[in-house]
Amino acid sequence: ETGVTQTPRHLVMGMTNKKSLKCEQHLGHNAMYWYKQSAKKPLELMFVYNFKEQTENNSVPSRFSPECPNSSHLFLHLHTLQPEDSALYLCASSQGGTGTEKLFFGSGTQLSVL
Amino acid sequence: ELKVEQNPLFLSMQEGKNYTIYCNYSTTSDRLYWYRQDPGKSLESLFVLLSNGAVKQEGRLMASLDTKARLSTLHITAAVHDLSATYFCASTRGYGGSQGNLIFGKGTKLSVKP
Repeated sequence: ETGVTQTPRHLVMGMTNKKSLKCEQHLGHNAMYWYKQSAKKPLELMFVYNFKEQTENNSVPSRFSPECPNSSHLFLHLHTLQPEDSALYLCASSQGGTGTEKLFFGSGTQLSVL
Repeated sequence: ELKVEQNPLFLSMQEGKNYTIYCNYSTTSDRLYWYRQDPGKSLESLFVLLSNGAVKQEGRLMASLDTKARLSTLHITAAVHDLSATYFCASTRGYGGSQGNLIFGKGTKLSVKP
């Protein structure tokens, strides 16, 4: 266990559905991240939150909407997704934001869009 | 634009053998990270290399960084089956970048056979 918990582990949704991914970290970290891992692409950073404030949006389409109500919880709200959005979505957290600290990843949510 | 390239992308090796994974990055950066991912599991931080000439070792894995050559290596000594996993290197954009700016390579899938 890394101290970062993601739910659900697997999700299948249609293109018209609305769903949310949840991430919770029990490490007392102040930064949280969403990454997308596709089968044939490198891991891609989506969003960064520092102290609940979004500090980076890596040109992510608006059908992905992040929410960070506090430093321990991070959500990714999904609506009208496309089949090419099918991927493993990984949440991570870190402490400090200086670049020297380690990222701690959750196990991910495997998303399939039909 | 920062690009991170790993080679090889697939590596099948016998137990007891030595091998090296290479990670090249395209622009100036002062830090390099190595992660490990087991199938169906989250990424685990292995090494954080923060300066030119940095060398870190843990068990049968040793990582080094040459910022002038923009090259990091992950050397595997006397491989064992437990090392079978996918190994990712990542770098940050520019100097002093936080881990929120990590750019990952595509990963090297290592399979160690008896």
